Amino acid sequence: GENVEQHPSTLSVQEGDSAVIKCTYSDSASNYFPWYKQELGKGPQLIIDIRSNVGEKKDQRIAVTLNKTAKHFSLHITETQPEDSAVYFCAASPVNYQLIWGAGTKLIIKP
Amino acid sequence: SAVISQKPSRDICQRGTSLTIQCQVDSQVTMMFWYRQQPGQSLTLIATANQGSEATYESGFVIDKFPISRPNLTFSTLTVSNMSPEDSSIYLCSGSGGEKTQYFGPGTRLLVL
Repeated sequence: GENVEQHPSTLSVQEGDSAVIKCTYSDSASNYFPWYKQELGKGPQLIIDIRSNVGEKKDQRIAVTLNKTAKHFSLHITETQPEDSAVYFCAASPVNYQLIWGAGTKLIIKP
Repeated sequence: SAVISQKPSRDICQRGTSLTIQCQVDSQVTMMFWYRQQPGQSLTLIATANQGSEATYESGFVIDKFPISRPNLTFSTLTVSNMSPEDSSIYLCSGSGGEKTQYFGPGTRLLVL
């Protein structure tokens, strides 16, 4: 079955700098890759997603890139702000509707 | 997008008792899912709630322990039965409209003493 690995587990960046979180997946049939942000005490919030027919997608300061050949996808956050501090999860979806989750990355924005 | 609410938001329960968590979606969704999340960890899928039929459980989760109902396309319940301290966790409900995008509720924080 599908397996998703996410790195790093913790990422600390200076406010205003960029942050990059990477995920790899194993099942070449996976065709949907969402990213979620989870703040303390809240449920996961979808922030951006990408489908396998697209290589890159951008929404303001957030972008996701997908390399199907290498089976990896990345989240890029530019001009980081204190409110970006949270845990970020990647996921991959094979042929059914389920999501296979990465282990999560705790992003810390230093003032 | 779908807005999902859960009740209760948190509870403290005694071992051996049961708790039913409710999940309400503001629009009809094709799929509903129940997850468990231990503090500081990723999400683990418990089951897919099927409308009008028995839920589909993942390995390690059984219907007797986690009975699920889904009477219509906007509502589902998860019961945590005969609770033990090991059941202390965050329980999350999600809904998907058919394009694989899942939207999550705020979660139910359960502590079993």
